[in-house]
Amino acid sequence: AQSVTQLGSHVSVSEGALVLLRCNYSSSVPPYLFWYVQYPNQGLQLLLKYTSAATLVKGINGFEAEFKKSETSFHLTKPSAHMSDAAEYFCAVSGFGGAQKLVFGQGTRLTINP
Amino acid sequence: EAEVAQSPRYKITEKSQAVAFWCDPISGHATLYWYRQILGQGPELLVQFQDESVVDDSQLPKDRFSAERLKGVDSTLKIQPAELGDSAMYLCASSSGQGNSYNEQFFGPGTRLTVL
Repeated sequence: AQSVTQLGSHVSVSEGALVLLRCNYSSSVPPYLFWYVQYPNQGLQLLLKYTSAATLVKGINGFEAEFKKSETSFHLTKPSAHMSDAAEYFCAVSGFGGAQKLVFGQGTRLTINP
Repeated sequence: EAEVAQSPRYKITEKSQAVAFWCDPISGHATLYWYRQILGQGPELLVQFQDESVVDDSQLPKDRFSAERLKGVDSTLKIQPAELGDSAMYLCASSSGQGNSYNEQFFGPGTRLTVL
């Protein structure tokens, strides 16, 4: 069984400050890990993914995440927040293989203060 | 750029009525997923198709929900009768679903259902 826990349902940072969104996972098999972003009334957009290659993964819009097996974590970071980063962020896990369902966390709403 | 299409985008219905949602995946994608996202929560898989066959419907409330993908292309998700607790965003996603390597899931814009 797989699960994801996102620490903090709401994170607020100032524009230009570091963004850190936390994600811990549980998986009985080696996982694939993902971060998605969702803007109001829209679908999900993939930010980045870990699929067993490099543990430090770079994604779109300046985001990156580091897979730490010993800590079962996959935290999302961005050095400098921009107003356009305000959205809902979801961490997700799936098993290895071609057609695997995604198991999502509860989401973290990111607010950017001017 | 190919996209997953969903319709309608918004649906308001009264409880006990029937509703249906449609999804057209990216051309050539063998795997199609329906997820339900309740407000304030992450999406949860309802049903997964590989071509026209259901491979996972363990979380689909089968007494009221049904899904089909008759020709292995587009898909319909139906709820009959709708209940207040069905109010949610219904997301469709597709992936190529080929081989054993990672296949990215591409999401549609979703259908937001409100049951009154």
